[in-house]
Amino acid sequence: NAGVTQTPKFQVLKTGQSMTLQCAQDMNHEYMSWYRQDPGMGLRLIHYSVGAGITDQGEVPNGYNVSRSTTEDFPLRLLSAAPSQTSVYFCASSYSAQNSPLHFGNGTRLTVT
Amino acid sequence: GENVEQHPSTLSVQEGDSAVIKCTYSDSASNYFPWYKQELGKRPQLIIDIRSNVGEKKDQRIAVTLNKTAKHFSLHITETQPEDSAVYFCAASKNYGQNFVFGPGTRLSVLP
Repeated sequence: NAGVTQTPKFQVLKTGQSMTLQCAQDMNHEYMSWYRQDPGMGLRLIHYSVGAGITDQGEVPNGYNVSRSTTEDFPLRLLSAAPSQTSVYFCASSYSAQNSPLHFGNGTRLTVT
Repeated sequence: GENVEQHPSTLSVQEGDSAVIKCTYSDSASNYFPWYKQELGKRPQLIIDIRSNVGEKKDQRIAVTLNKTAKHFSLHITETQPEDSAVYFCAASKNYGQNFVFGPGTRLSVLP
């Protein structure tokens, strides 16, 4: 199993540009989520999905969209990039069984200038 | 909503000594508490977890304790080694739903 795969690893955007961060998992996990990691702030939940066709907002959803058309894929879209969105983004997945740990992808480092 | 605090933010220990990292949570409904280790430039990886019906769990040099009444849980690493140097995150979540709330992290440095 490849686990959770994120692309790209690095991205530089100009303010106002849009882009999609890709996330795919091959573990048949029902639950998928996106976190952003900023220095001194831990990991903060952006959006999550408990299954195909179902998405919901996390703690910091503004400026981001998600969709879940298949069990495997959960892309994160930045609609109009802002410098405040400079961060490291992690996709994570797990089984929806009670108390299942998260499995993280390798992250995408995004810089918005 | 849930709030998770973590202390200390940085910790330096001599190789062979023990390290303790403490977290507190605010929501008494939280019942699952994993710990993640993140090496520089890498993804967070689960090292140990504890459920609310358990007070302590050990895995070789790593242990976690949970005090539900006080709403705090701690990570204990014994006989530290240089490869233990990393950032450690605690997290909390409620029954069903994997929407974890993470602490801000502790940077552990093990000095040779």
